[in-house]
Amino acid sequence: AQKITQTQPGMFVQEKEAVTLDCTYDTSDQSYGLFWYKQPSSGEMIFLIYQGSYDEQNATEGRYSLNFQKARKSANLVISASQLGDSAMYFCAMREGQRRKLIFGQGTELSVKP
Amino acid sequence: DVKVTQSSRYLVKRTGEKVFLECVQDMDHENMFWYRQDPGLGLRLIYFSYDVKMKEKGDIPEGYSVSREKKERFSLILESASTNQTSMYLCASRVSLGGTVTFSGANVLTFGAGSRLTVL
Repeated sequence: AQKITQTQPGMFVQEKEAVTLDCTYDTSDQSYGLFWYKQPSSGEMIFLIYQGSYDEQNATEGRYSLNFQKARKSANLVISASQLGDSAMYFCAMREGQRRKLIFGQGTELSVKP
Repeated sequence: DVKVTQSSRYLVKRTGEKVFLECVQDMDHENMFWYRQDPGLGLRLIYFSYDVKMKEKGDIPEGYSVSREKKERFSLILESASTNQTSMYLCASRVSLGGTVTFSGANVLTFGAGSRLTVL
C-alpha cells in the first residue's frame, strides 16, 4: 500500500497567486514526521518544511506553510505569492516512528506562469 | 560550499557492465542513503547505511550492492547493469537520529545533485 500519495502529477499557477499541493499519508504510528522537498530542474533536492505529528501548530517557513490535518492524514503544502522560481518538482515525504528511512511520494510538478 | 558530492553527473554504460556510483559528504554524518528517482514513482530507497560498514536494504535493493568503508563515502554498485536500471540516482546524508525518536527539522536529509545513468 502506498504510504505517501500525491495525486497531482502536474499543477499550473499564475505568478503571485497561492497554490496548494496535496499530500496524504498512511501510518499506524502515533509518532511520525512529514517533510516537503523541492527539486528544481538542476536536480538537487531542497528541504522546505517539516511537521511533526505532535506539533500542535501548522509549520510555516516564509512563503511556505503546511496545512496539517491529522485526522484526515493530510499534509498539504501551501505556497503563497508564487514566483517563477517556484517552478519545480515537489515531493512530500514521511518518516515513521524510529524507522530510519524516509518514504517519498510520487511528486507534483508545479509550473508558475508569468 | 558543496556538502554532498556525487562524482558523476551523467553516465552512459552498456548492459552487463559493472557500474560504481560514488557519494561523498563532508558534514560528518553517520547516515547515508541511495535513492532511485523515476517519473511517476517518486524516490525509492535502494540501500542505506547508518554507520561505517553497516548497511540495510531499502525497498528496491535487487540488482544493487553498496559499500561504506569510510564515514564520508557511500558507494552504490551495479554488478551487471541492465536497461531497467536507467534512472536518476540520488545520494543523501543525515546526522544519526540516535536511540530515541527525536523529530526535528535539523534531521533532514541533505542530497547530492544526482547521477543520471543511462544503460544501453
